[in-house]
Amino acid sequence: GQNIDQPTEMTATEGAIVQINCTYQTSGFNGLFWYQQHAGEAPTFLSYNVLDGLEEKGRFSSFLSRSKGYSYLLLKELQMKDSASYLCAVSNDYKLSFGAGTTVTVRA
Amino acid sequence: SQTIHQWPATLVQPVGSPLSLECTVEGTSNPNLYWYRQAAGRGLQLLFYSVGIGQISSEVPQNLSASRPQDRQFILSSKKLLLSDSGFYLCAWRTALISYNEQFFGPGTRLTVL
Repeated sequence: GQNIDQPTEMTATEGAIVQINCTYQTSGFNGLFWYQQHAGEAPTFLSYNVLDGLEEKGRFSSFLSRSKGYSYLLLKELQMKDSASYLCAVSNDYKLSFGAGTTVTVRA
Repeated sequence: SQTIHQWPATLVQPVGSPLSLECTVEGTSNPNLYWYRQAAGRGLQLLFYSVGIGQISSEVPQNLSASRPQDRQFILSSKKLLLSDSGFYLCAWRTALISYNEQFFGPGTRLTVL
């Protein structure tokens, strides 16, 4: 079975940094994705990790430790438009299993 | 470039009525296709996926069915809707040519069953 956990909500101030953790226990693994989803919209791709370590992409970074079943998404220099839900998804063959999502609220 | 379409965007249906949601993909051939449902405040639940025309795999037992009559067309149906079928339905595709599993989502259909 698939078990993917991430916090339900996080709040941060504009310009700050927020780290969203994701732990997983899955029957198979060939990569981990982070998606961003604004309310009422489709998820959009943010990052992908298949090897251990940090992937940096502008203000967003994602880290993976396969031995610990752990990933995090780091959002730097938060902007109001970063208020959204962030979904952790584990890839197994051609299927994705999603966590419930973390709603990030950025306050001025 | 590839695009994915879903319609309708919103739908309000009475309990017991039928359902048909359509998804089409442009700009790619033989994609893997997926139907997800997202209940309020919840993550995405995979309902069906398809690796080719007429090939449908169901992930969870439910009141819904899926069909793939053409390579780039994926349809989600129900004969009789339940209240619990309300939610945000998302169609997604990925290329079958590589093992990289990034999926691209359509704009979604908001279904309310009353």
